[in-house]
Amino acid sequence: GQNIDQPTEMTATEGAIVQINCTYQTSGFNGLFWYQQHAGEAPTFLSYNVLDGLEEKGRFSSFLSRSKGYSYLLLKELQMKDSASYLCAVLNYGGSQGNLIFGKGTKLSVKP
Amino acid sequence: DGGITQSPKYLFRKEGQNVTLSCEQNLNHDAMYWYRQDPGQGLRLIYYSQIVNDFQKGDIAEGYSVSREKKESFPLTVTSAQKNPTAFYLCASSTGGAEYHGYTFGSGTRLTVV
Repeated sequence: GQNIDQPTEMTATEGAIVQINCTYQTSGFNGLFWYQQHAGEAPTFLSYNVLDGLEEKGRFSSFLSRSKGYSYLLLKELQMKDSASYLCAVLNYGGSQGNLIFGKGTKLSVKP
Repeated sequence: DGGITQSPKYLFRKEGQNVTLSCEQNLNHDAMYWYRQDPGQGLRLIYYSQIVNDFQKGDIAEGYSVSREKKESFPLTVTSAQKNPTAFYLCASSTGGAEYHGYTFGSGTRLTVV
């Protein structure tokens, strides 16, 4: 089966750091994506990890451990505009439902 | 600029009517996808197409139909058989493997049944 788990909601304070976790169990693995989605808008690409380790891109970093089926997205120096849903998605070429399998998303609320 | 365009942005439909949502891309992507998004449900795959003139059902294909006559276009028809069609619909496209960049999404169509 295919299963991707992430927390439903999180709250953090402006200027702080927040970590959004994602665990996955899929029949295959060819990489992991994080997307940001503001309410009523399209998801936008944040990061892609295919090897273990940390990828840093400005205020956003993403980590992957393939042996543990685990990833996290780290957001630093939070801003109000970071309030959005964050989607974890696993790329699986062997899957029967297209290539990308999405988690249900984590809704992050940033408070002053 | 290359991109993926969905139209219309908002759509209202009377019960019992079929309605077609447009999705066009000029990215030269081989694969195209349709998702439905409801609050708390995440993205659910309706149909996808890896190549022209071929498409596959996703998790929730019942009540929907698609066509892929051109590489650039992948319209979705919501039929009267779809019992709860009110939702946010997202179209996406990708290169065959979707590696490195994943999917590119359109801006979505919000369908409301009145």
